[in-house]
Amino acid sequence: EAQVTQNPRYLITVTGKKLTVTCSQNMNHEYMSWYRQDPGLGLRQIYYSMNVEVTDKGDVPEGYKVSRKEKRNFPLILESPSPNQTSLYFCASSFTNAYEQYFGPGTRLTVT
Amino acid sequence: AQKVTQAQTEISVVEKEDVTLDCVYETRDTTYYLFWYKQPPSGELVFLIRRNSFDEQNEISGRYSWNFQKSTSSFNFTITASQVVDSAVYFCALSEQNDYKLSFGAGTTVTVRA
Repeated sequence: EAQVTQNPRYLITVTGKKLTVTCSQNMNHEYMSWYRQDPGLGLRQIYYSMNVEVTDKGDVPEGYKVSRKEKRNFPLILESPSPNQTSLYFCASSFTNAYEQYFGPGTRLTVT
Repeated sequence: AQKVTQAQTEISVVEKEDVTLDCVYETRDTTYYLFWYKQPPSGELVFLIRRNSFDEQNEISGRYSWNFQKSTSSFNFTITASQVVDSAVYFCALSEQNDYKLSFGAGTTVTVRA
């Protein structure tokens, strides 16, 4: 089954404790992306990757890191999480940015 | 820079009414792509439609239809004879050929009452 998986689905952590949210796709997509969803703000792109080892900042990259060492995986790293990073996070993949995104189920992160 | 505006925050209708969701975009690129996604209460994001800037044909899919007008930079979405299952948040999105970013609007929450 074609899908994008994210783990964990829910995470409660404390300020400053490094965490990683994993994202994996099995559709051989070149383009992968991370978004955060906050009430009234819609989905905002954090980082995107056009292919392996090629990543770039979206609209809200501060406080986040990504890497794309393999085509299928695109982890999101929060080196020192802060409460303003409490949000719902979505990973997505597609052939390119010109095509529809396939979204993961979301990760709800709470930073206290 | 690219920008997507969905001016309607919330729309509430009674079942069987038609509802139109507005989407206005800004871009300097001549080649770009527009999308609509649906997010039902269960939370997943579901792709509905894609349009490229060279295809201004309106699209109809069942009770859903889309009106793309480059002259007004709008890509509006209409649900005909709405049903309770149409209750969701709907997002419009834009991507440009020369910029790999993807910009989403803030979303419109549609509530269909029985």
